[in-house]
Amino acid sequence: EAGVAQSPRYKIIEKRQSVAFWCNPISGHATLYWYQQILGQGPKLLIQFQNNGVVDDSQLPKDRFSAERLKGVDSTLKIQPAKLEDSAVYLCASRGTLNTEAFFGQGTRLTVV
Amino acid sequence: EDQVTQSPEALRLQEGESSSLNCSYTVSGLRGLFWYRQDPGKGPEFLFTLYSAGEEKEKERLKATLTKKESFLHITAPKPEDSATYLCAVRRDSTLTFGKGTMLLVSP
Repeated sequence: EAGVAQSPRYKIIEKRQSVAFWCNPISGHATLYWYQQILGQGPKLLIQFQNNGVVDDSQLPKDRFSAERLKGVDSTLKIQPAKLEDSAVYLCASRGTLNTEAFFGQGTRLTVV
Repeated sequence: EDQVTQSPEALRLQEGESSSLNCSYTVSGLRGLFWYRQDPGKGPEFLFTLYSAGEEKEKERLKATLTKKESFLHITAPKPEDSATYLCAVRRDSTLTFGKGTMLLVSP
């Protein structure tokens, strides 16, 4: 079974620039999560999708972050404009209806300079 | 608000020296407590799910236990390849809330 795919693996941008991350979940998984993991911290939920609908985006900084999951499969997370404090690893995870656990991708390491 | 606190923040062991990691949690309506392993530069890898107090699960040198307020991850006779960050998470509804993790280093 193929895992959760994310790209790019690494990204360096200047502050105030925009950036986008892509996630392809495990086939058939209806639930998709985006997490932000700052160095030395545990993952923090940004947004959760069920199919193509948003279940929880209470911790998403909506003035600069946006996410979409068109057709209930792939998802993109965008930051515009980026701030220094957005430097982190952005993890995508998916969970199937019959699974209790979520499966994570390798993450995208973002550095804002 | 769900809270997950892990201790210690970091732990250094000699190969073969058994120990335990702690995860204290506060959540209303627990629908599962999860342990993940995270290697540097990689995403978290699922280890265990525990649902009710008294439940235990084992995998190789790892054993996870659960009470009403905390979970322990026991590591028996660890090897250098067990070095990683161990993350604890609780699930309420369908959302996972993670602790900060325990960074484990096992020296040969």
